[in-house]
Amino acid sequence: SQQGEEDPQALSIQEGENATMNCSYKTSINNLQWYRQNSGRGLVHLILIRSNEREKHSGRLRVTLDTSKKSSSLLITASRAADTASYFCGSGAGSYQLTFGKGTKLSVIP
Amino acid sequence: SQTIHQWPATLVQPVGSPLSLECTVEGTSNPNLYWYRQAAGRGLQLLFYSVGIGQISSEVPQNLSASRPQDRQFILSSKKLLLSDSGFYLCAWNQGLSSGANVLTFGAGSRLTVL
Repeated sequence: SQQGEEDPQALSIQEGENATMNCSYKTSINNLQWYRQNSGRGLVHLILIRSNEREKHSGRLRVTLDTSKKSSSLLITASRAADTASYFCGSGAGSYQLTFGKGTKLSVIP
Repeated sequence: SQTIHQWPATLVQPVGSPLSLECTVEGTSNPNLYWYRQAAGRGLQLLFYSVGIGQISSEVPQNLSASRPQDRQFILSSKKLLLSDSGFYLCAWNQGLSSGANVLTFGAGSRLTVL
């Protein structure tokens, strides 16, 4: 069964705007990760946040985690056309594998 | 540095034909290996994972099977393809919890179309 669900399914913004994507999961986790997928390519790891962390930054990325609500958000600031991709959250519950949702398809319009 | 190779990149096969997708990892030993499938509108579905040679765990009962004949080789197979097997297949690896986190590194994917 799928652990994470991203929201919205699709997001279209102008270059320079901020993009926010949300992720909900169902069971307890020890970490949550965000990945990016360009069309027709494999997923690339962006950032990991552990269950005892509330916020994490990496360049233009900001991730938050609310374990009480079983949710996470990914904020991309000052978006660029090159940020156009699908974004997935993967939740890890202590076993080896991650489970993913359907992703958010982000389109950044130049 | 570690690299992951996956092939073929694209494949068009008739219904009922066999399938073999191969994945190899270089630059590491005893990786955990995974096969995911991405069908249109359905997100990523974990199909199989392996924590060692000959050790295969199946997440979803299906028409597919996986094998790990060598430490860094993972093969996805089918004896008779179904239309529903069409999709984008992704191989991935990590070092498991011993490294502190289960970050996955993905291959470039194999696009399978069953006609």
